[in-house]
Amino acid sequence: KAGVTQTPRYLIKTRGQQVTLSCSPISGHRSVSWYQQTPGQGLQFLFEYFSETQRNKGNFPGRFSGRQFSNSRSEMNVSTLELGDSALYLCASSLGLAVNYEQYFGPGTRLTVT
Amino acid sequence: DAKTTQPNSMESNEEEPVHLPCNHSTISGTDYIHWYRQLPSQGPEYVIHGLTSNVNNRMASLAIAEDRKSSTLILHRATLRDAAVYYCILSDSNYQLIWGAGTKLIIKP
Repeated sequence: KAGVTQTPRYLIKTRGQQVTLSCSPISGHRSVSWYQQTPGQGLQFLFEYFSETQRNKGNFPGRFSGRQFSNSRSEMNVSTLELGDSALYLCASSLGLAVNYEQYFGPGTRLTVT
Repeated sequence: DAKTTQPNSMESNEEEPVHLPCNHSTISGTDYIHWYRQLPSQGPEYVIHGLTSNVNNRMASLAIAEDRKSSTLILHRATLRDAAVYYCILSDSNYQLIWGAGTKLIIKP
């Protein structure tokens, strides 16, 4: 069974631009969660989607948004990029909501904002 | 919000058991206790999770205190590949998993 895939793996953007990251979950998994990881803040939860609905949202500004498609694939969008958005963005999939099921993580997308 | 407290780092010798503690005194009755680990330059990896009784799988064991205010992740025979940051995680009132700073486990050969 293929694992969680994330594209692109690396990305360099300029302040003010927007970016879209993509996540393909494991086949059969209906929940996708997104996390931001930085050396200073550690792993921080962004949001979780289940059956195309956002079920939970972390404490991030509205510039961070996401969506999930009917095939469970998910995208995350960050608008008006700031230098502080430079981070590793991780996607994880699970059979159901992450509080009840084990999550499988992708390799992440390394975003650098200059 | 349910929070966890873990030591910043721990050291253990290779091929010996490792006991990683976690305190979660504000845990609610329905909170699962999750453990993940993150190896260097990799995404986190699920280790184990449980609710009340002790749990075992091929990777580790989870011992949960009777009052559920603490738990211990047990690696029965540590190898160098077990060197990682281990996260003990609970959910908050919104059913979100709250990740702390974790414990950096150092394995000495």
